[in-house]
Amino acid sequence: DVKVTQSSRYLVKRTGEKVFLECVQDMDHENMFWYRQDPGLGLRLIYFSYDVKMKEKGDIPEGYSVSREKKERFSLILESASTNQTSMYLCASSTDTYNEQFFGPGTRLTVL
Amino acid sequence: AQKITQTQPGMFVQEKEAVTLDCTYDTSDPSYGLFWYKQPSSGEMIFLIYQGSYDQQNATEGRYSLNFQKARKSANLVISASQLGDSAMYFCAMREVNTNAGKSTFGDGTTLTVKP
Repeated sequence: DVKVTQSSRYLVKRTGEKVFLECVQDMDHENMFWYRQDPGLGLRLIYFSYDVKMKEKGDIPEGYSVSREKKERFSLILESASTNQTSMYLCASSTDTYNEQFFGPGTRLTVL
Repeated sequence: AQKITQTQPGMFVQEKEAVTLDCTYDTSDPSYGLFWYKQPSSGEMIFLIYQGSYDQQNATEGRYSLNFQKARKSANLVISASQLGDSAMYFCAMREVNTNAGKSTFGDGTTLTVKP
């Protein structure tokens, strides 16, 4: 059974903290993605990676960075968390451009 | 311009009836894929069905079918024989192969409520 896991379901952080969101997939997928989901705005792509150590900016990369040191792991980093980064964060993976994405359960991040 | 438009923020359907969720898209790339995902209240996105831009026939997966009208740039999801467990948010998405670096674009979603 294919699986994408995220390190936390719920996370509460303070403004200015450095935040790490971890995502691991066990399907040997090349592509991995980070989205944020906000009410009325659908899913917006933050960053994606199509190979180890490769990354591409999505539509809203400001305030975020990513790391992909191993094929199965894709980390999202908030260097200095702000209240406007309170959101649901979804990680996904896929084999290639045409194929469907498999999503993790999401991390609901609250920045106080 | 919005690449994916879902005009129905919320829909209601009676159990066992069919329902159509609308999706229109905008692209000049001849190669693209269209996807529908379901997101129950638990939060996890679940892939439902895929349609490629060169596919001649409409995609079907069990009770789900995709009504693909290429000239109208429309990719509506049809759920037959609705069940209470179909109550969820549904997202239409598109991946363009040659443009947009293969990134997916999602619509804002439609919340479907199935009434007993």
